[in-house]
Parts: sequence; structure tokens; C-alpha cells
Amino acid sequence: DTAVSQTPKYLVTQMGNDKSIKCEQNLGHDTMYWYKQDSKKFLKIMFSYNNKELIINETVPNRFSPKSPDKAHLNLHINSLELGDSAVYFCASRFSDRYTDTQYFGPGTRLTVL
Amino acid sequence: SQQGEEDPQALSIQEGENATMNCSYKTSINNLQWYRQNSGRGLVHLILIRSNEREKHSGRLRVTLDTSKKSSSLLITASRAADTASYFCATFDQGAQKLVFGQGTRLTINP
Repeated sequence: DTAVSQTPKYLVTQMGNDKSIKCEQNLGHDTMYWYKQDSKKFLKIMFSYNNKELIINETVPNRFSPKSPDKAHLNLHINSLELGDSAVYFCASRFSDRYTDTQYFGPGTRLTVL
Repeated sequence: SQQGEEDPQALSIQEGENATMNCSYKTSINNLQWYRQNSGRGLVHLILIRSNEREKHSGRLRVTLDTSKKSSSLLITASRAADTASYFCATFDQGAQKLVFGQGTRLTINP
């Protein structure tokens, strides 16, 4: 009954490789995000999708390509991995109404590029 | 950068004491949210305060917001070892439809 799930949890790979991280939410939310958290714990938004449409692209290198096959899934594909891509990547979905505005985060994917 | 600042960066207190964390931000906001992150886990939403509110309570949590000073504080009363975590404030940019996070406060509760 996990709300937002990500796979894999850990990803260790060589520079130059291409890798994907998958995210699924079973909350029925329309909006999903990808965040990057660096070694200093800074959390920065990368992409936002609303009902399968790209809403935000925060000047992320075009080596990063999000894909949303349906509104429950938002995957992140990274080409030509670089050392600086090492970080923890979080997927999140958002629920908002007149009473609340909450983002639900996945457990994170720790990417290590060697 | 819109990113806010949190103060202190790290806080270590004894179990049972109160913990106060402060957050400053730079732009106008629609709401401000606080999240907790346990080591190796994702963030968990704690509480939201809207720009027209000054104070909000939820269990042992008390949040204040001063929009004139662009600052907020999170008070955790009667702390427990399980409160050990990093705490982040985040402001919602209504125009850009995104959350902007502060750098976080690392809270350690000593038994």
C-alpha cells in the first residue's frame, strides 16, 4: 500500500552510462515531481508534470529526460552520466485543495556515478 | 536564488526539551510548509501555514509565520528521540507552481 514508490533504491554505475529511475504513485494525484538532493542536503526541483504534461523544467541538462506514460507514473532517464549527477533523486506527488497543499515523497534513489 | 535559509543548521538537545527552528525566505508566498526527513528516507509533510495565518498547531508542533519579516519558526515541544531528523521549510511559489526548500536543520535528540 506504498503511496509513492521508486525503483531502484540504490544505483551505482560508471560515467557515460545511461540509466533510468522509475516512480509510481497510487494516490490518484495529477501532479508529480522529480527533485535532486545533493550531498549538502539541498533539495531542488528538476521537473514537474501535471496529468502527463510537462509543467516545469528547471534548466536541467537535456541529458535528463522525464517520461510520464500515465498520470500515475513519472520516470527519469539520464543519458551519459557524469560524476556530478551523483545525488539522491526523489519523486513526489502533490495533493492540494482549499484546506491543504501536501507533497508526498518517495523513498529516494541514491545514484552513485563512478 | 529563491532558496531560503534555516537556522540553526544543526541543533542538539536533551529529550524532553523544546526545539525551535527558524526559516527565512525571499519572495512573496502563498503558503509555507514544514517537512521532516529521517536519515535515508523521503520527506514527510508536517504542517502547512497559509500567508494569512500567523500561528498554527498540530500535536506537539507549533508553527509561526511573520510575512513582514519573511520568516517562520517551527517549535517541537517535549522532544523525543524519534524526533531526530532533518527539518525543512518550503515556500510555495504560486506563479511557478513549485516548492522552494530551505537548506534544512539537522535536529538530534539525546536520550
